[in-house]
Amino acid sequence: AQKVTQAQTEISVVEKEDVTLDCVYETRDTTYYLFWYKQPPSGELVFLIRRNSFDEQNEISGRYSWNFQKSTSSFNFTITASQVVDSAVYFCALSEMDSNYQLIWGAGTKLIIKP
Amino acid sequence: NAGVTQTPKFQVLKTGQSMTLQCAQDMNHEYMSWYRQDPGMGLRLIHYSVGAGITDQGEVPNGYNVSRSTTEDFPLRLLSAAPSQTSVYFCASSLGLLASSGAGELFFGEGSRLTVL
Repeated sequence: AQKVTQAQTEISVVEKEDVTLDCVYETRDTTYYLFWYKQPPSGELVFLIRRNSFDEQNEISGRYSWNFQKSTSSFNFTITASQVVDSAVYFCALSEMDSNYQLIWGAGTKLIIKP
Repeated sequence: NAGVTQTPKFQVLKTGQSMTLQCAQDMNHEYMSWYRQDPGMGLRLIHYSVGAGITDQGEVPNGYNVSRSTTEDFPLRLLSAAPSQTSVYFCASSLGLLASSGAGELFFGEGSRLTVL
């Protein structure tokens, strides 16, 4: 069974629309970490955020926000007022003690922002 | 500050050939790792190292060797290339695996695209 599921393979929206990328995870550990990474068309992966399992507060950074809900094992990522530069593949990942804290990656969601 | 440097960026091999992908970081990171990225599969961990002289296998280690003789360098060797090893390879580093040392906040190289014919 997949430990990190990103059910949306590809999302396409028009610029300035809000868009939410879903991430559902599975773990038996009580201490774990969740991540989002961005891979723009240039190919290099860029770290966006890390959350630990004890901190369910939502995080906002400019137009980006993250909603962590342990009750539904989800860590969703919302981009408000999307821009063309947000076009990228976005990966959600999990780090847990059971896996020796190595990152377990979702398959990624390709986000296309049309002008 | 160069960060994580991977070479070569592109390589074409014939089945059975061997080669080494180079990875170097100048951030004094203890943790280094190699991933492969295939369409629709996210990133899969090949090998990792938590410090000089220490390496361990990841999810898909078969057909690959690594060594870590210095903190800075973590080369990935393909011993006898197979078409199944056609992929994009990423080297990544971080301060460490523990939360106190930036666990999971990986710095990636630009990737190496390998084609095995």
